[in-house]
Amino acid sequence: DAGVIQSPRHEVTEMGQEVTLRCKPISGHNSLFWYRQTMMRGLELLIYFNNNVPIDDSGMPEDRFSAKMPNASFSTLKIQPSEPRDSAVYFCASNPGTGGEQFFGPGTRLTVL
Amino acid sequence: SQQGEEDPQALSIQEGENATMNCSYKTSINNLQWYRQNSGRGLVHLILIRSNEREKHSGRLRVTLDTSKKSSSLLITASRAADTASYFCATDGGAQKLVFGQGTRLTINP
Repeated sequence: DAGVIQSPRHEVTEMGQEVTLRCKPISGHNSLFWYRQTMMRGLELLIYFNNNVPIDDSGMPEDRFSAKMPNASFSTLKIQPSEPRDSAVYFCASNPGTGGEQFFGPGTRLTVL
Repeated sequence: SQQGEEDPQALSIQEGENATMNCSYKTSINNLQWYRQNSGRGLVHLILIRSNEREKHSGRLRVTLDTSKKSSSLLITASRAADTASYFCATDGGAQKLVFGQGTRLTINP
């Protein structure tokens, strides 16, 4: 299994631009999680899905952030418009949906200038 | 909000020594997990300990859990240079949510 796949691995953009981060979970996993990691705030859960349905988006910082999971093998996290304070590493993780261990992707390092 | 708080924030030891990291949390849990993160990489699950367990081993790792003190410790024995990484505890924040601590940065000196 290839593990959780994220793209792009690095993204540099200018303030005001739209940013789309992509994630492919491990095949057969029913739950998908988006996290953001910064030095100041550590690792924060933004949103998670069960069976493609958003369950808890209370961690999404503001309306500029949106996430979708159109099918079991693909999810996007979109920031529009982006701001410098959105600069962080964004991780996607998945698990079979029974709780317990989460499998993390390699992350997308986002820099907003 | 951060549920787990790791201590120390940074730890530097010589190769071959044992490394101990601690985690404290605030609310009741069903389980507690430890993850490792190498620089520039995603997190890797190390071990899960359930609330009714007191100790668990996996290779050179030993995890303890004291629910009365709301604390856990991770011991890495006979450390190696490859153990250099950040280590995070994570508690279940309800449903499937995990709440991570700020992590301990471990450096193993050759």
